[in-house]
Amino acid sequence: SQKIEQNSEALNIQEGKTATLTCNYTNYSPAYLQWYRQDPGRGPVFLLLIRENEKEKRKERLKVTFDTTLKQSLFHITASQPADSATYLCAPHTGRRALTFGSGTRLQVQP
Amino acid sequence: DSGVTQTPKHLITATGQRVTLRCSPRSGDLSVYWYQQSLDQGLQFLIQYYNGEERAKGNILERFSAQQFPDLHSELNLSSLELGDSALYFCASSVDPVGSYEQYFGPGTRLTVT
Repeated sequence: SQKIEQNSEALNIQEGKTATLTCNYTNYSPAYLQWYRQDPGRGPVFLLLIRENEKEKRKERLKVTFDTTLKQSLFHITASQPADSATYLCAPHTGRRALTFGSGTRLQVQP
Repeated sequence: DSGVTQTPKHLITATGQRVTLRCSPRSGDLSVYWYQQSLDQGLQFLIQYYNGEERAKGNILERFSAQQFPDLHSELNLSSLELGDSALYFCASSVDPVGSYEQYFGPGTRLTVT
């Protein structure tokens, strides 16, 4: 069955460093991959969408890569700030079924 | 502000009862999705409607049902409530029928079953 894996352990980094979060998927071939941010008790907020023919996408301090051979996406936040502390969800998507989210990785940026 | 509204924000009810959660999508969005998020759990997809028709079904219990009305707002009905139904329920909307574009989430309804 389709499976999405995100590191369940929290990622703790110092302010100003680059945070790198990983999303691995198995048993399907997504045409798109989306990343969302979720703060406690609030709805997820869309960040970036990358298509299978795009290797990398950037938006301000965010960068996403999509490696269909490794079945992996990496999500980078450069010059991280305490305000970046949140849970980040990935959602690989085939374009044929409803979106399925990974369980998320909690990022904690220490001042 | 995502443009998606959900009411009520909080709901406390007893086991065995029935409740209705309401969602208004972003202007122009035809798809509405419902998700359940229990404490410390991931987002579980329940059901999707597109322009009034059921489009996709996820892990939705038979005690739960939903519909999308002609004005595109949607309601999620939860009946015979159990303690385990306590969770945050999110509604999201998007422009397309297959979720290829970003989804915009509402603030959620926190349901507590006592």
